[in-house]
Amino acid sequence: GEDVEQSLFLSVREGDSSVINCTYTDSSSTYLYWYKQEPGAGLQLLTYIFSNMDMKQDQRLTVLLNKKDKHLSLRIADTQTGDSAIYFCAETISGGSYIPTFGRGTSLIVHP
Amino acid sequence: GAGVSQSPSNKVTEKGKDVELRCDPISGHTALYWYRQSLGQGLEFLIYFQGNSAPDKSGLPSDRFSAERTGGSVSTLTIQRTQQEDSAVYLCASSPTHRPIGEQYFGPGTRLTVT
Repeated sequence: GEDVEQSLFLSVREGDSSVINCTYTDSSSTYLYWYKQEPGAGLQLLTYIFSNMDMKQDQRLTVLLNKKDKHLSLRIADTQTGDSAIYFCAETISGGSYIPTFGRGTSLIVHP
Repeated sequence: GAGVSQSPSNKVTEKGKDVELRCDPISGHTALYWYRQSLGQGLEFLIYFQGNSAPDKSGLPSDRFSAERTGGSVSTLTIQRTQQEDSAVYLCASSPTHRPIGEQYFGPGTRLTVT
């Protein structure tokens, strides 16, 4: 079945790198996504990776996919206080409805 | 341009009352989704509309929940005889098309509190 799991909290110091991890269970995942939710706002798509890719980099963001271990990570370089938010991992399944399954979200707290 | 809007932003209702939540998607987006976000939980899919096709209602938790989309644009989520466990943030999203990389644009949500 579909299940996406994330740790609930991550605290980092400003300027350090943040690594947010996610595991999923369905081996037929097609796309994996990272969304960001700031307080009082809806979710915003940050980046996505296709399941036949290992890595994707976009400015300060690096997504790593280990398909064998079904593990996805989001690395934020030079983390800033404005990066404080909840980060959601999500997946869509090949041959499925393409409605994404979301994890519970990881609250990233960036302190000076 | 304008993003996805939802109204009201907050709704407090008494147990047993009916509520209607509204979503205005981005103009021209054919796909529209409703999700529920409870405290400490991920997003729970509720219902999905795509163009003129029959909606995918597979995520609705009970028959007290229903939704419609008029004219392929505005959508209303109705919860009848609300219960305390219905308290959550209800998020609406729209997408240009229902495809794997169909980026979903989310509204700010409606926070529903059932007392």
